[in-house]
Amino acid sequence: EAGVAQSPRYKIIEKRQSVAFWCNPISGHATLYWYQQILGQGPKLLIQFQNNGVVDDSQLPKDRFSAERLKGVDSTLKIQPAKLEDSAVYLCASRSNYEQYFGPGTRLTVT
Amino acid sequence: GQQVMQIPQYQHVQEGEDFTTYCNSSTTLSNIQWYKQRPGGHPVFLIQLVKSGEVKKQKRLTFQFGEAKKNSSLHITATQTTDVGTYFCAGPDLSGTYKYIFGTGTRLKVLA
Repeated sequence: EAGVAQSPRYKIIEKRQSVAFWCNPISGHATLYWYQQILGQGPKLLIQFQNNGVVDDSQLPKDRFSAERLKGVDSTLKIQPAKLEDSAVYLCASRSNYEQYFGPGTRLTVT
Repeated sequence: GQQVMQIPQYQHVQEGEDFTTYCNSSTTLSNIQWYKQRPGGHPVFLIQLVKSGEVKKQKRLTFQFGEAKKNSSLHITATQTTDVGTYFCAGPDLSGTYKYIFGTGTRLKVLA
């Protein structure tokens, strides 16, 4: 089966600019997660979807981050405006039973 | 808030030596998961432990869940260069929504 797809793989932007990331989970996986992984740290959950509904977004900085999963399949995560501390890898994962399958991630550098 | 800590943060071993990483949760866990992340890669699921005192083996890897279900360990016997990477444990959030809190990770380097 195809894995979780993410794009772009790399993005460099200046602070205060906007950026969007896209994720296509494994077919049939109802649960989708977006994580932020800062260098040297473990993944930190930003938002969790079940189909097209938000289950948990308690750690999403809602003043600048937004995410949607309109048709319950693919999802986008947006940052507007970006700050230097947003430099990280943004990982998307989908879940089957108890196992999470991660995509390759998008490495964001904010200068 | 709920925390999951791992020690050590880094470990360098000679190829053939054993390696152990320890995971400690601030709360009792219903289960614990382990993931491996190769350098430049993404986390890959290794295993889930559910029962108190449970021990599971995958070839040279031995996973253990503590009796109190607040700690876990991963032991690798006779490390190989392919074992290089960061090992994360992850415990479920108390909300019961399949939200997982990842540990701080242990970065393993294997010297040939």
